This record gives sequence, C-alpha cells and structure tokens, in this order.
Amino acid sequence: QLQLQESGPGLVKPSETLSLSCTVSGASISSNNDYWGWIRQSPGKGLEWIGSFHYSGSTYTRPSLKSRVTMSGDTSRNQISLKLTSVTAADTAVYYCARQRNLPGGYFDLWGRGTLVSVSS
Amino acid sequence: DIQMTQSPSSLSASVGDRVSITCRASQDIGKSVAWYQQRPGKAPRLLFFAASRLESGVPSRFSGSGSGTDYTLTISGLQPEDFATYYCQQYYTIPQTFGLGTKVEIK
Repeated sequence: QLQLQESGPGLVKPSETLSLSCTVSGASISSNNDYWGWIRQSPGKGLEWIGSFHYSGSTYTRPSLKSRVTMSGDTSRNQISLKLTSVTAADTAVYYCARQRNLPGGYFDLWGRGTLVSVSS
Repeated sequence: DIQMTQSPSSLSASVGDRVSITCRASQDIGKSVAWYQQRPGKAPRLLFFAASRLESGVPSRFSGSGSGTDYTLTISGLQPEDFATYYCQQYYTIPQTFGLGTKVEIK
C-alpha cells in the first residue's frame, strides 16, 4: 500500500531555508511513470501547487516560486525533498507531498498527511 | 494562471440530500479537472479526474460532469461522512490551480 510521509522542522525563521522530506513506502520514487508533487495549504491562499519532481531530475515548478524552490530525490532512502529559500510569513502553511498522475500538468491521487510549517522569529 | 472559481463557498444540507458544486475555469480546460474531498485535519482525497472519471474506491453516489469552462460535482444522497470541504483543480496547464473550496455542512 502506497504511503507518503512528510517530515521537517515545524518552525523556520524568516529569511532562512525551509527543508522538507517525503518518505515514500509501497512504491519506488524511481518509477518511470510517477512524478512526485509538493502542494501547500494556507488559510489565506487555499491549495497551492509548488512543484513536481521526477527521479530523472526533470522538474516543473510554479513560476512565482521557481527562484526559491529546489526539489530532489534520494533513491537509496526512497525520499523526495523540497527546499524553499528566503522564507517569509507568507510561506506558513501545511505542506503536502503527493503522487502526481498525468504530465506535465497533473492531478494528485495519493497524498501524505501533511506537515505544518510556521515561519516566525 | 488559470483561475478556478468555485461556488458556492459553503452550503448546508441534510443527510440524503442531493447537492451540486460548480467550478468555472477562466478558459477552456478540456476536461482536465480533478475533484478532491478534504475532511478536517486530513489530506485531500482524489474523487475524480478527467472531469468524470471516478477514482477507485469512491462511492457511486458521487458524480462529475462538465466540459469547456464549466464543471460540476454532484453528491446524490449525502451521507454523514460526506460533510467535508471539496476542491476542484485544473491540470490543463502549469501551474495547476485549485478552487477555493466548498464546505458542505450539516443543516
């Protein structure tokens, strides 16, 4: 059974880098057919797609976040990772990882439980 | 970015009622629409993709329809577990975008 679990610090200071991992179990992140997405949810902005990653290194990123986002994968740990630099309070949200279907734009058929990240000094 | 305008933002209904939620895209999105259900404190759950294709395990009381710019999610015979927030999403172009949600509450 495919499961995804996000992990990372719940509190990040303004201007610092938010780093999250998503551990995938029940499937390999190196599956050729799968992209892995990051989505966040904040009260003010609802659900917002951040970017999607393929183990080959191919990525798609939200244009407004592209300069601050890095996504990567570790096949030995079956994890995908997200880094968001220069965070502000506007980056406070619940962050989800999810498996994406359909490319390059896609829908998300399996989600992690999400992890709340607050940006505050 | 394509805007997804979802309505209503909330509705009250009773168990057994039929309810419909609509989503209007700012341009033709060629049925590249997904619908999600989100219960409080939980992750979104995929209900439909390609506007009307029911995801495995989703009860048949849910239906999806639409084309062009207008899409509808209908629940026929609301059950207690259906009281949740529902979101549409377009994946016709990047960035994929979501509606702001419709909260279905118990009357």
